Amino acid sequence: QVQLQESGPGLVKPAETLSLTCTVSGVSISDSYWSWIRQSPGKGLEWIGFGHYSGSTNYDPSLKSRVAISVDTSKNQVSLRLTSVTGADTAVYYCVRSGGVYWYFDLWGHGTLVTVSS
Amino acid sequence: EIVMTQSPGTLSVSPGERVTLSCRASQSVRYNLAWYQQIPGQAPRLLIHGTSTRATGVPGRFSGSGSGTEFTLTISSLQSEDVAVYYCQQYDKWPPLTFGGGTKVEIK
Repeated sequence: QVQLQESGPGLVKPAETLSLTCTVSGVSISDSYWSWIRQSPGKGLEWIGFGHYSGSTNYDPSLKSRVAISVDTSKNQVSLRLTSVTGADTAVYYCVRSGGVYWYFDLWGHGTLVTVSS
Repeated sequence: EIVMTQSPGTLSVSPGERVTLSCRASQSVRYNLAWYQQIPGQAPRLLIHGTSTRATGVPGRFSGSGSGTEFTLTISSLQSEDVAVYYCQQYDKWPPLTFGGGTKVEIK
């Protein structure tokens, strides 16, 4: 059964770094591109960026200076780091899959809520 | 950045009625348009990609159409389990990959 499970701190202080991990099971992590998408409370969906096991990455230009996504095939995990967070980064963060030849998202994790607050 | 605009913001529809949701792109995205369904409390789920191709397991009452800048998602006969927010997403010109603001479908 294919599963994406996000994990990480639910509370991050302003100006600190948000770090999340997505554990992938039931599918080869090497076969796909892995994105992070977030959804602020009561709002729509925002693509953050993607990573690939080859090291290839691509980010939303508005977040590019603060974000890093990496893929660890040995652990079957995808990681997100977002630096210098503010309250605007409070959101549910989803780990999602796309195929690389297609850039829609066919597999979603359940999401994890991260609140930025002191 | 391609801006996706969805209308209306909210739709109230009786069970069994036909539902039409609109999505407009600020510039042509050809046929590279996907739709997602987000049931309250759940993650989004892929419904349609390539404008009109239903994802695995999606009921036949869901259909998509359009091209370029104008797209439509149709639910031929609304069921109670279709109550959700529906999002469109373009994947033609990126970064960034962009979503519409969503249309909420309610039961009247």
